[in-house]
Amino acid sequence: DTAVSQTPKYLVTQMGNDKSIKCEQNLGHDTMYWYKQDSKKFLKIMFSYNNKELIINETVPNRFSPKSPDKAHLNLHINSLELGDSAVYFCASSQDGTANYGYTFGSGTRLTVV
Amino acid sequence: GQNIDQPTEMTATEGAIVQINCTYQTSGFNGLFWYQQHAGEAPTFLSYNVLDGLEEKGRFSSFLSRSKGYSYLLLKELQMKDSASYLCAVRAGGSYIPTFGRGTSLIVHP
Repeated sequence: DTAVSQTPKYLVTQMGNDKSIKCEQNLGHDTMYWYKQDSKKFLKIMFSYNNKELIINETVPNRFSPKSPDKAHLNLHINSLELGDSAVYFCASSQDGTANYGYTFGSGTRLTVV
Repeated sequence: GQNIDQPTEMTATEGAIVQINCTYQTSGFNGLFWYQQHAGEAPTFLSYNVLDGLEEKGRFSSFLSRSKGYSYLLLKELQMKDSASYLCAVRAGGSYIPTFGRGTSLIVHP
């Protein structure tokens, strides 16, 4: 199946821990993203990568570090997790940086920090 | 910044037509998107409008008026599976990254 797949789907962890979320797309898209959806359902951009290069880094704490080993993968590592990091994190990809054909989103990772 | 406004919740009857509005205030408008998101699932792309007018795609249509800062998503022949959140997202200011509204939760009942 052609898709954007991210793992894990659920992640429950304690404050202060470090965790990673992996994302892979087999659509041949050039651009990948990380979005955060909070409890009020707002989707907010965190990072954008085009062909492994960081394009956008919104005002995200530097505890969040994306890594793109190749254009099909964009992983997210989070250090020293805080309660406020609890949210659903979506990986997405688009054909190119304009995204005029929309994003294809992964199924999301529900992160709960306790 | 951008200000995007859509109703929080709407209800409609199976088989009916529903119009979900989205108004926005921004400078340098560069496109408007609609996404559908079922509870607990990923958003899926529905439409992209950058010019004024109506774009029809099966049961779903999207309209844009740039001068009024206004768009709507029209859903015809509603089905129960159309119960979902509908997200309006606006791109502006030279950025390719859209800003998402909080979404409209549509409940379709028999």
